Amino acid sequence: DGGITQSPKYLFRKEGQNVTLSCEQNLNHDAMYWYRQDPGQGLRLIYYSQIVNDFQKGDIAEGYSVSREKKESFPLTVTSAQKNPTAFYLCASSIDPWEDTQYFGPGTRLTVL
Amino acid sequence: KNQVEQSPQSLIILEGKNCTLQCNYTVSPFSNLRWYKQDTGRGPVSLTIMTFSENTKSNGRYTATLDADTKQSSLHITASQLSDSASYICVVSPRRGSQGNLIFGKGTKLSVKP
Repeated sequence: DGGITQSPKYLFRKEGQNVTLSCEQNLNHDAMYWYRQDPGQGLRLIYYSQIVNDFQKGDIAEGYSVSREKKESFPLTVTSAQKNPTAFYLCASSIDPWEDTQYFGPGTRLTVL
Repeated sequence: KNQVEQSPQSLIILEGKNCTLQCNYTVSPFSNLRWYKQDTGRGPVSLTIMTFSENTKSNGRYTATLDADTKQSSLHITASQLSDSASYICVVSPRRGSQGNLIFGKGTKLSVKP
């Protein structure tokens, strides 16, 4: 059963704590992306990766970090430096960096208490 | 500034009725336009994709149109069903392989009532 998965679905964090969101895909896609979605706003790009061991900052990278050690995995760490981390986080992938069709995971809702 | 504007912000219709969602963009250059459907609490799913030369694209009860001259697109839903209740997002790509430069609209939230 191919697809892109994110875990956990819901995540609660205390202020000042770092937290890592998981994103895994078995579609053999080269490119992966992380977006943030807030109510009443369009998706905003946090980071993207074209290939293993490579990634670029998106529009709102401050307070976030990523790694791409494996083709299948692109975890996102929300650090304590992110001032307003409560949001819905979406991971996506595409076949290669030149393919615009992105396939999205089910999302993780992060709430800071 | 590259922007994608969608209207209306929200819409309520009765089951079985048709509706049309609008997307206006000021993105240049332009490669393609996509419509995504996003169920509440889920990730978006692609419905249609249109390039500069395409005027209409259908996917079942969903029909998207594109007027590249006026930079407008619409998504028409025929014979709506309760399962059509979702947010519909218009996404514009400035050039092929835009990767991190896709322009997302804020979406139209559609509610279909019985």
